[in-house]
Amino acid sequence: NAGVTQTPKFQVLKTGQSMTLQCAQDMNHNSMYWYRQDPGMGLRLIYYSASEGTTDKGEVPNGYNVSRLNKREFSLRLESAAPSQTSVYFCASIGSSLETQYFGPGTRLLVL
Amino acid sequence: QKEVEQNSGPLSVPEGAIASLNCTYSDRVSQSFFWYRQYSGKSPELIMSIYSNGDKEDGRFTAQLNKASQYVSLLIRDSQPSDSATYLCAVRFSSGSARQLTFGSGTQLTVLP
Repeated sequence: NAGVTQTPKFQVLKTGQSMTLQCAQDMNHNSMYWYRQDPGMGLRLIYYSASEGTTDKGEVPNGYNVSRLNKREFSLRLESAAPSQTSVYFCASIGSSLETQYFGPGTRLLVL
Repeated sequence: QKEVEQNSGPLSVPEGAIASLNCTYSDRVSQSFFWYRQYSGKSPELIMSIYSNGDKEDGRFTAQLNKASQYVSLLIRDSQPSDSATYLCAVRFSSGSARQLTFGSGTQLTVLP
């Protein structure tokens, strides 16, 4: 997971609680992404940021918000967690070409 | 809706055999195709990319692309137990964002010693 870090690694929430997942990369990449991975569903894009100061919705944005704090950091916020948001969340960054893409180690979220 | 389909498996092959993983996609004009390896409990790792019809080889891995038939495959020669993982296919659809990828659900591969 060269250069992409995520915190926390694991979190348990109760329905209705809020939390922010943090992601940072030190590779000077412009593009950053948040995915969720559920069993049998592959990776689904939640939000992405093509460059500092821009964010766009992906395939499954409902219930989430994001902030591209600076070029290094891209956070994902759950305002009111629901059991359907139980998943593994991966942050990724992509450099000047699609050949240079790296994923963080993931955050495992359980919503009760 | 743009789709990427993979056989979920599990696919089992004996050590030393060729493992063949397949992926089909819905958009005929897609241009960029990627294969990732994901070990259990870990994050995906990009292992191959292919952009034009034909074969692309990298060590024991060969990616094959057939745009007319809308499929991309990954061959792993001389399979090793360390190749046991889930393999994800991803496509950049031509009508999407330049850096937005759509993933298949993955194929679980087990290489038996």
